[in-house]
Amino acid sequence: KNQVEQSPQSLIILEGKNCTLQCNYTVSPFSNLRWYKQDTGRGPVSLTIMTFSENTKSNGRYTATLDADTKQSSLHITASQLSDSASYICVVSQSRNTPLVFGKGTRLSVIA
Amino acid sequence: GAVVSQHPSRVICKSGTSVKIECRSLDFQATTMFWYRQFPKQSLMLMATSNEGSKATYEQGVEKDKFLINHASLTLSTLTVTSAHPEDSSFYICSAREETDLSYEQYFGPGTRLTVT
Repeated sequence: KNQVEQSPQSLIILEGKNCTLQCNYTVSPFSNLRWYKQDTGRGPVSLTIMTFSENTKSNGRYTATLDADTKQSSLHITASQLSDSASYICVVSQSRNTPLVFGKGTRLSVIA
Repeated sequence: GAVVSQHPSRVICKSGTSVKIECRSLDFQATTMFWYRQFPKQSLMLMATSNEGSKATYEQGVEKDKFLINHASLTLSTLTVTSAHPEDSSFYICSAREETDLSYEQYFGPGTRLTVT
């Protein structure tokens, strides 16, 4: 069964600290993996997209990694800010003709 | 990046009435659009996939007669919740796919909060 598992389910960190969110998937075939940020009451916003051949991709303070052999990805947030408080969703795409497979997300709270 | 808009952002309606939600791709044409619903602290659940000019494909367990989807143009899809009930209260998010010969990308709207009283 195609699944995307994320950990931890929730996380609280102090402002300025770094954190890493994990994503494991069993989706096959694999086209690309995306990380989205979803603020409360808003739609998801794309942070990074990685294809099979990409190991790492950065977007400002966000850095995503992908190990296609072990089917694992991580999202590292550097120097966290209060505005980073949101849900971070790992999403895997099989192909353009199949629906995206969503993880349940990690709820990150950054506190002062 | 490309922008997808939804209208309204919030709607409150009485039980038994119908509500229409619009989803527009603002700067690209979307042959395919998707409708999701999201309950509190849960991830997005795909309801249906709509292709311009054809009938929508609904996911298992989604009532097509209750959630009417129309994708009449390459920039507009609508979701109508018919005879709404309190259990239909949820956050509805649309998504539009932009395609080229080499790649595709899916952009999400800001969501519509539906409350049925």
